[in-house]
Amino acid sequence: QVQLVESGGGVVQPGRSLRLSCAPSGFTFSSYGMHWVRQAPGKGLEWVAVIWYDGSNKQYADSVKGRFTISRDNSKNTLFLQMNSLRAEDTAVYYCARDPRIAAPGLFDFWGQGTLVTVSS
Amino acid sequence: DIQMTQSPSSLSASVGDRVTITCQASQDITNYLNWYQQKPGKAPKLLIYDASNLETGVPSRFSGSGSGTDFTFTISSLQPEDIATYYCQQYDNLPRFGPGTKVDIK
Repeated sequence: QVQLVESGGGVVQPGRSLRLSCAPSGFTFSSYGMHWVRQAPGKGLEWVAVIWYDGSNKQYADSVKGRFTISRDNSKNTLFLQMNSLRAEDTAVYYCARDPRIAAPGLFDFWGQGTLVTVSS
Repeated sequence: DIQMTQSPSSLSASVGDRVTITCQASQDITNYLNWYQQKPGKAPKLLIYDASNLETGVPSRFSGSGSGTDFTFTISSLQPEDIATYYCQQYDNLPRFGPGTKVDIK
């Protein structure tokens, strides 16, 4: 069955960096676009970034553009989110999600369980 | 940017009731609209895609309709396990979620 497992979350000081990982199983990772979606404590869902199945296209929400980088290693079946210059408002549970459509427009058919990032001094 | 609104923000209904949630986009998104269910402490789950298509394995009491800017999500007979927050999400442009509707049992 399809599974997505995030890791790498934790407590980090403002201005520092953190890298999240997402390990997929149960499907051919290299055939799917992937997204990161986050949820601040007690708040709604916010889309963060997308990467195409082959890594050829990436897009970001304005709130993270220039600070976050999405990447993938299809040979190692892993999705990443490099987060730099972290701010308090980046505190959230970060989910990776699969997109079954070509060009990964934003249909999230499977989600991981999430990893919590807390930005605090 | 396309803005999404949902109403109501919360509702309380009895088991067996018909529940309706509306979602409005700030511009025409044709049918690029999905609905998700999120239970407390859990990841969201896809229920409806492309405005009206039921995801595989989702009970038929859930349905969606609409196109353009106005969309509706319906639970035909509310069950105790449907207690959750429901989000609409557009993907006409970069994905954006509505603010959510919290559904409780009366």
